[in-house]
Amino acid sequence: AQTVTQSQPEMSVQEAETVTLSCTYDTSESDYYLFWYKQPPSRQMILVIRQEAYKQQNATENRFSVNFQKAAKSFSLKISDSQLGDAAMYFCAYRKNYGGSQGNLIFGKGTKLSVKP
Amino acid sequence: DTAVSQTPKYLVTQMGNDKSIKCEQNLGHDTMYWYKQDSKKFLKIMFSYNNKELIINETVPNRFSPKSPDKAHLNLHINSLELGDSAVYFCASSQNRRLAGYNEQFFGPGTRLTVL
Repeated sequence: AQTVTQSQPEMSVQEAETVTLSCTYDTSESDYYLFWYKQPPSRQMILVIRQEAYKQQNATENRFSVNFQKAAKSFSLKISDSQLGDAAMYFCAYRKNYGGSQGNLIFGKGTKLSVKP
Repeated sequence: DTAVSQTPKYLVTQMGNDKSIKCEQNLGHDTMYWYKQDSKKFLKIMFSYNNKELIINETVPNRFSPKSPDKAHLNLHINSLELGDSAVYFCASSQNRRLAGYNEQFFGPGTRLTVL
């Protein structure tokens, strides 16, 4: 069974600084996707960034980037120039690709990120 | 124009009652999901339906019964509610076939269920 582990229950960063959230996962599959979701106090699940396992290039979305190490099964999220609005729970998630369709998401336990002004 | 909607957003009820949460998506997707987020914020899949057929049923008490009247709706009915059922329940949907690569899963706003 696939598992996702986030070892940092809470993290804190100063506004405008950079922070890295860690995630490791376990799977025997070779075709899958990895994600970071943001959940602000409004509880809406917001997709931050997605990484395809077959792509060696790390995904980036504006201030958000990932460090994807497939052999190590590691998938960290770097937030640059942190803003107050980045404060939220961040979930790492895994989704298997069934060669044309994708299954349900498997989530880590989350990291609560605080941003200090 | 909400893509995935859930009703109600908040539900407070007494132990032992039966309640339903409704979910509707207007994205034309063929697959819908229910996830449960517990008090520690842990999110876990409960059910998944594809074209009105159950394809995932995790270890969930049989007091929980999903019902999919059509592809656009997946309702969650809960019998004999218990204190431990208090959680946030998220509905989601996606298209279960490759169109141009990845098929994103869209989440509803969540329903916070409180059992007293």
